[in-house]
Amino acid sequence: AQRVTQPEKLLSVFKGAPVELKCNYSYSGSPELFWYVQYSRQRLQLLLRHISRESIKGFTADLNKGETSFHLKKPFAQEEDSAMYYCALSVGNTPLVFGKGTRLSVIA
Amino acid sequence: NAGVTQTPKFRILKIGQSMTLQCTQDMNHNYMYWYRQDPGMGLKLIYYSVGAGITDKGEVPNGYNVSRSTTEDFPLRLELAAPSQTSVYFCASSPRQGAGGTEAFFGQGTRLTVV
Repeated sequence: AQRVTQPEKLLSVFKGAPVELKCNYSYSGSPELFWYVQYSRQRLQLLLRHISRESIKGFTADLNKGETSFHLKKPFAQEEDSAMYYCALSVGNTPLVFGKGTRLSVIA
Repeated sequence: NAGVTQTPKFRILKIGQSMTLQCTQDMNHNYMYWYRQDPGMGLKLIYYSVGAGITDKGEVPNGYNVSRSTTEDFPLRLELAAPSQTSVYFCASSPRQGAGGTEAFFGQGTRLTVV
């Protein structure tokens, strides 16, 4: 079965510092990978997907098939980035599988 | 544009009681899902549906039932509530699964406490 691992439950960084939220997955083929974000009192929403190779709110994520990773990065953290971040994977015609999430806290 | 709407937002149940969590979407999506979110455990799939009349079990289906009589609605039924079902429940929908980087749209969640 596919699995998504987010090793950090909580990540605290100072405003302006770089951010890297780690995500590793277990699947031997070519998965679809996503980052979802949940801001306080808001619903879960898509942040970015690997297939689009886009940058959203300054965040980027690169799929590394050799390391089976899809880490989320931002060069300069902002206070409004504080949220819960979930890495998710979809394979073939199956529903999304989520990691346990990482809470990012950006300290002013 | 309402998207995915869940009701109720909050509910307290006594052990053994039953209830239905409602979910409706107005985006004409074929795929709908129910997840539960427990602290430190992420989101776990309870049931999903690929279209009206078709449902399938996810990772944690025990204690729950679903039905999909229309494209819009996907209610989740708890027959005999147990404290282990205390959680936040999220309904989601997507136009398709898998290939193509499909986005799932989530409801605001239902916070259920079983006492």
